[in-house]
Amino acid sequence: LAKTTQPISMDSYEGQEVNITCSHNNIATNDYITWYQQFPSQGPRFIIQGYKTKVTNEVASLFIPADRKSSTLSLPRVSLSDTAVYYCLVGDTGRRALTFGSGTRLQVQP
Amino acid sequence: EPEVTQTPSHQVTQMGQEVILRCVPISNHLYFYWYRQILGQKVEFLVSFYNNEISEKSEIFDDQFSVERPDGSNFTLKIRSTKLEDSAMYFCASSDYSTGELFFGEGSRLTVL
Repeated sequence: LAKTTQPISMDSYEGQEVNITCSHNNIATNDYITWYQQFPSQGPRFIIQGYKTKVTNEVASLFIPADRKSSTLSLPRVSLSDTAVYYCLVGDTGRRALTFGSGTRLQVQP
Repeated sequence: EPEVTQTPSHQVTQMGQEVILRCVPISNHLYFYWYRQILGQKVEFLVSFYNNEISEKSEIFDDQFSVERPDGSNFTLKIRSTKLEDSAMYFCASSDYSTGELFFGEGSRLTVL
């Protein structure tokens, strides 16, 4: 399973755009990149998934360069409620389990 | 919106006792998982289950652990003889296809005294 590396923590202010980058140098051809959000005492929640280039949904964008060795989760105009831990996962789900790394703890301040 | 449900939300048990944690995955999902999270630590994979058998398991998932899908709707995790270090939040998850998102339940907090 591809190992991921992301910053341990980040700080931001309300209304700012936040970009969290994850490196996954040994990503395999069949691997997808998935980001999850976790609030304290809750289960992780899916944010976005991509394979290459750019993916956008109603909450975030995911940028993946051509070599796919890294990815960047972009949260536009964060609010206090975006304070959470964000996990980057790489893998082929289903029969192969996804492994969570240490995640990035995002603290949004007023 | 369909969701994964877990029971109990919190269980306190004595060391050495057996514990069964229950999960009802989303009905059309085919892949099932158990993860755990010790307080303040990262989410750790325990086991994945597909087609009525274990697909993968981690080194944490030793002989004290077992999983079962007894009736086509429930997915259970049994810890045969609990240890203090089994105290954690246990999350069940399910997904519907090989590259699909994992839907997590709200977790079952296990406290072993």
